[in-house]
Amino acid sequence: AQSVTQPDIHITVSEGASLELRCNYSYGATPYLFWYVQSPGQGLQLLLKYFSGDTLVQGIKGFEAEFKRSQSSFNLRKPSVHWSDAAEYFCAGASGGSYIPTFGRGTSLIVHP
Amino acid sequence: DAGVIQSPRHEVTEMGQEVTLRCKPISGHNSLFWYRQTMMRGLELLIYFNNNVPIDDSGMPEDRFSAKMPNASFSTLKIQPSEPRDSAVYFCASRDHREPYNEQFFGPGTRLTVL
Repeated sequence: AQSVTQPDIHITVSEGASLELRCNYSYGATPYLFWYVQSPGQGLQLLLKYFSGDTLVQGIKGFEAEFKRSQSSFNLRKPSVHWSDAAEYFCAGASGGSYIPTFGRGTSLIVHP
Repeated sequence: DAGVIQSPRHEVTEMGQEVTLRCKPISGHNSLFWYRQTMMRGLELLIYFNNNVPIDDSGMPEDRFSAKMPNASFSTLKIQPSEPRDSAVYFCASRDHREPYNEQFFGPGTRLTVL
């Protein structure tokens, strides 16, 4: 079955530290992949997306993600985390005729001062 | 553009009452999605429409749930009768489906509490 897995439910980092959030996908063909962020009480906002071409994708707010076919991964990174980055992060994938995204369970990012 | 608009933002009701959630997608977007978010089950797709036509409603939990899209600028999700287990945040999202890699734009959600 097509799916997206986020192995980490919670991640805690110190402000200024680097960040990597993991996402693994299971699709027969190369899926379209997305990272969204959800701040408390808000809807989801797109950070970045990948559908072809350069496997390193730049997004908003200083985030980037790298598509690795050999590892079936699309991990999200940021070199230096700010307290305002504390939020829920969702990885999503889409493939097939309908291209309806499947969302991971989300990773909650906690930032310590 | 104002983005996806949902109303109400919060709804508190008693078990057995009818609840109607509303959504206005971004103008020009021809796909609309209804999601439910809970701690236990995460983000679940309930139903989606293309060009106002329901395409897949397999995520609708039971017959108490219904959704309509009478025109390109308005959709409703109705729960009748409501039950405490329906308490969740309900999101509406829209997308321009002409390109499959286009992202979804989410509304702010409606937090539903059924007492």
